[in-house]
Amino acid sequence: DAEITQSPRHKITETGRQVTLACHQTWNHNNMFWYRQDLGHGLRLIHYSYGVQDTNKGEVSDGYSVSRSNTEDLPLTLESAASSQTSVYFCASSRGLVDTQYFGPGTRLTVL
Amino acid sequence: ILNVEQSPQSLHVQEGDSTNFTCSFPSSNFYALHWYRWETAKSPEALFVMTLNGDEKKKGRISATLNTKEGYSYLYIKGSQPEDSATYLCAFPSSNTGKLIFGQGTTLQVKP
Repeated sequence: DAEITQSPRHKITETGRQVTLACHQTWNHNNMFWYRQDLGHGLRLIHYSYGVQDTNKGEVSDGYSVSRSNTEDLPLTLESAASSQTSVYFCASSRGLVDTQYFGPGTRLTVL
Repeated sequence: ILNVEQSPQSLHVQEGDSTNFTCSFPSSNFYALHWYRWETAKSPEALFVMTLNGDEKKKGRISATLNTKEGYSYLYIKGSQPEDSATYLCAFPSSNTGKLIFGQGTTLQVKP
């Protein structure tokens, strides 16, 4: 069955370290998204991609980067982790622009 | 700036009660309206994608209606059960980017 996976599921890191969170989907969806979940803010969009080699900034992109070298993967990199980036991160994908987004299980990141 | 608003913010009901909540969205440039169900410690799960004015969708005891002219959608849960406890999110895709604009959600707690 097609699915979307994230790894790791839990990560503890230190301030200043570079961290990469993986997202992999097997639906062959063109569109992929990264969100963070914060109390009082709900889901906020970090970066998104409409296809290979395409990346776009979301509303909270500072301190994050993504790359899209193939259809299946959209890794999210925190260049220099900060305590304010402690959050739960969700990856999602969709077939068309206004279609349902399918969410991964989430990665809980703690920056000490 | 697109704004998607949900009310109420939270709701506590007894098992067996029926309940409903509202999602308000911009009525111009409408493409679709999404409803998601988000249980604690899990990832958001798609309930409905609604596209036509007057549309009504149903999934078990949960149903939703759509009024694109006045910019609102109602989600109804008939005979609430404790397992219905979750946050219900609606989302509106931006017409030029397809990015989903999420509401803050309505958190439903059903007491046995």
